[in-house]
Amino acid sequence: DSGVTQTPKHLITATGQRVTLRCSPRSGDLSVYWYQQSLDQGLQFLIQYYNGEERAKGNILERFSAQQFPDLHSELNLSSLELGDSALYFCASSVGGAGEQETQYFGPGTRLLVL
Amino acid sequence: AQKITQTQPGMFVQEKEAVTLDCTYDTSDPSYGLFWYKQPSSGEMIFLIYQGSYDQQNATEGRYSLNFQKARKSANLVISASQLGDSAMYFCAMRERTNDYKLSFGAGTTVTVRA
Repeated sequence: DSGVTQTPKHLITATGQRVTLRCSPRSGDLSVYWYQQSLDQGLQFLIQYYNGEERAKGNILERFSAQQFPDLHSELNLSSLELGDSALYFCASSVGGAGEQETQYFGPGTRLLVL
Repeated sequence: AQKITQTQPGMFVQEKEAVTLDCTYDTSDPSYGLFWYKQPSSGEMIFLIYQGSYDQQNATEGRYSLNFQKARKSANLVISASQLGDSAMYFCAMRERTNDYKLSFGAGTTVTVRA
């Protein structure tokens, strides 16, 4: 158990809908990262928050947004869902925001299926 | 260009034998970190081992060791005394300052341990 929690574990929804994925980082970690894992794209970094502020952005679609709250938990909002958004979404956390030595610990993931 | 290359899509290994998973990386940054993660069929991402670019010695963590050859830009993972529970997908990843410390993953290698 990494100490990172994600809810829900599974999510089934329809195209055009909006969903919210939730993540709680390990105790003491200030950074939260979101990743998408799909068969065709592999593991893709989406976005990072550090202590409530957006720190780095990756291949995140405009239909997706995220935020980190004062208690450091984070939410990833996915809207106008398409079939291609079906994937495993991971949240990870680390102590700091930057540094090549920062180890990211991953949550169990949320498996999203868009029908 | 691919930052992390894992050329072995799948490997079979006999129980109790050692297996080496290849990873080459591409960076011009003198300071970077290399990570290996394990993803069992259940889906979670488990951190295994870290190697910093300035580390003089190869990293070791229990049955995992990293064969770090900086000049060749390779960071191969060695799993010794393979166990059935080692059957999983293994990902090599890199974090570098010039990429804003985003974690870049390779495509992964599937390892199947045979009894």
